[in-house]
Amino acid sequence: AQSVAQPEDQVNVAEGNPLTVKCTYSVSGNPYLFWYVQYPNRGLQFLLKYITGDNLVKGSYGFEAEFNKSQTSFHLKKPTALVSDSALYFCAVRDFYSSASKIIFGSGTRLSIRP
Amino acid sequence: NAGVMQNPRHLVRRRGQEARLRCSPMKGHSHVYWYRQLPEEGLKFMVYLQKENIIDESGMPKERFSAEFPKEGPSILRIQQVVRGDSAAYFCASSPVGGQVNEKLFFGSGTQLSVL
Repeated sequence: AQSVAQPEDQVNVAEGNPLTVKCTYSVSGNPYLFWYVQYPNRGLQFLLKYITGDNLVKGSYGFEAEFNKSQTSFHLKKPTALVSDSALYFCAVRDFYSSASKIIFGSGTRLSIRP
Repeated sequence: NAGVMQNPRHLVRRRGQEARLRCSPMKGHSHVYWYRQLPEEGLKFMVYLQKENIIDESGMPKERFSAEFPKEGPSILRIQQVVRGDSAAYFCASSPVGGQVNEKLFFGSGTQLSVL
């Protein structure tokens, strides 16, 4: 079965500093990877995806993610953190083991940006 | 252009009652996914449906839980004889076409189920 792991429950960063939210994956075939963000009392919103091509993927709100096949990682990054980036972030992988192709989510990382 | 609509936002039930959660996908979307989020946990896949078909229900508990997505009307997640452990946020997501590798999901705001 395919899965993603987010090793950090919480990440704390000062505003203006760069941020990284970690994600590692486990798949049998080609990985199809996603990042979503959840603000309080809201559903998840899509940030970015990696399917094929460039290892550095750019997404919404200035976020980007770097796909690293040798380390099986897909870390989310942003050069300059904003207080408004504080939210819950989920890494996800497309599961192609089943015919249904559902998306499997990690456990989430709470990002807290202090002023 | 309304997004994915879930209702109710909050649902309170006593143990043993039934809970019905509704999800109207985005216009033009014919695929619906249901996820459950427990406090301080990630999203757990429950079921994936197309119109009138259950495609994958591998995440659904074997008893008391059922889901449907009729030809007309919203998708319904039904929980019979609720227990306190069913208390969670239930999220619905939709997509226009299922099974595409580059496809993203559009999520509703969720239904918070509280079982007393």
